[in-house]
Amino acid sequence: GENVEQHPSTLSVQEGDSAVIKCTYSDSASNYFPWYKQELGKRPQLIIDIRSNVGEKKDQRIAVTLNKTAKHFSLHITETQPEDSAVYFCAASIPTDKLIFGTGTRLQVFP
Amino acid sequence: DSGVTQTPKHLITATGQRVTLRCSPRSGDLSVYWYQQSLDQGLQFLIQYYNGEERAKGNILERFSAQQFPDLHSELNLSSLELGDSALYFCASSPLGGPQETQYFGPGTRLLVL
Repeated sequence: GENVEQHPSTLSVQEGDSAVIKCTYSDSASNYFPWYKQELGKRPQLIIDIRSNVGEKKDQRIAVTLNKTAKHFSLHITETQPEDSAVYFCAASIPTDKLIFGTGTRLQVFP
Repeated sequence: DSGVTQTPKHLITATGQRVTLRCSPRSGDLSVYWYQQSLDQGLQFLIQYYNGEERAKGNILERFSAQQFPDLHSELNLSSLELGDSALYFCASSPLGGPQETQYFGPGTRLLVL
């Protein structure tokens, strides 16, 4: 079945800097890659997703890139702000099976 | 607010006991998912239901069971509770249960087993 690895497990950045979180997946049939943000004590919420027919998607300060050949995808947050501090989960799915989540990255943005 | 509701918010119980967690999906969503999140851990998929039927099973213990009722709400039953079952339990819902649909998470039920 699908396996998703996520790195790093923790990431600390200065406010205004960029943050990058990387995930790799094992099943080459995977074609849907969402990212969820979970603030402390809150529910996970979808922040952006990408499908395999595109290589990059951007939404304001957040972007996701996909490299199907290497089977990895990344979340990029530019101009980070303290409110970006949270745990971020990547996920991947093939069309016929359940969504598999990565282990999460705890992002801390210091003022 | 995602539109997914979960009750109770907090639950404290003792080892060996049995509890029931309840979830109501977003209006119109037919599929419900259950996840377990232990302290500083990721989201462990437990089980998925679609329109009353079990659709997918993850790492769900035999002591745990779930069902989805005709009104589409779902219940997760945890029995013979152990200390290690202490965790945050999330329910999520999606329209048709497809693996490429956005899952909308509820606020979670925090279970503490003493």
